[in-house]
Amino acid sequence: KAGVTQTPRYLIKTRGQQVTLSCSPISGHRSVSWYQQTPGQGLQFLFEYFSETQRNKGNFPGRFSGRQFSNSRSEMNVSTLELGDSALYLCASSLRTLPSRSGANVLTFGAGSRLTVL
Amino acid sequence: DQQVKQNSPSLSVQEGRISILNCDYTNSMFDYFLWYKKYPAEGPTFLISISSIKDKNEDGRFTVFLNKSAKHLSLHIVPSQPGDSAVYFCAATSGSRLTFGEGTQLTVNP
Repeated sequence: KAGVTQTPRYLIKTRGQQVTLSCSPISGHRSVSWYQQTPGQGLQFLFEYFSETQRNKGNFPGRFSGRQFSNSRSEMNVSTLELGDSALYLCASSLRTLPSRSGANVLTFGAGSRLTVL
Repeated sequence: DQQVKQNSPSLSVQEGRISILNCDYTNSMFDYFLWYKKYPAEGPTFLISISSIKDKNEDGRFTVFLNKSAKHLSLHIVPSQPGDSAVYFCAATSGSRLTFGEGTQLTVNP
């Protein structure tokens, strides 16, 4: 089955602009999480959605927002872009949000959207 | 506050030898620990996990060891292959949130 699809793969913006990134999860997956990856910082958690509701939010300013649609597709938006927002934005999906008796809740990641802010 | 830390940004080993990647954590509430591998221009892919109630989990060439008293886990790859060259992320779960380390670049030389 198709994996997690993120669009666009690459984009360049200037400071002050806003950007919207899209994520289509694996069919049947209802949980979508977003992460920011910058050099030396690992993957920083942005937020998680399940059934169109934000379940969890990381320590990012209010300029970062997201939403999930009824078909589980998700978008994230960054307003008033800053140079430091340049990063790889990764979306991940999973069947559920919590571990179960069968094991850890494993996330499947997309290839990411590489944002460059000039 | 970095709750999951990978102190070695890079590791280089010879093909056929053992690769040992290390990870330390501070939150004793983590219930699962996972390792992901990431190639350039791709998203991270899941490798192996371990429950906090276990001390070892093995899957083929990959073994994860957990030392809860030291809040330390490690990933062993034996034997290492050139195709294993990638960035390896350690991660831990508490509830629904997955917390990642900074990553270690593994290079396996032929």
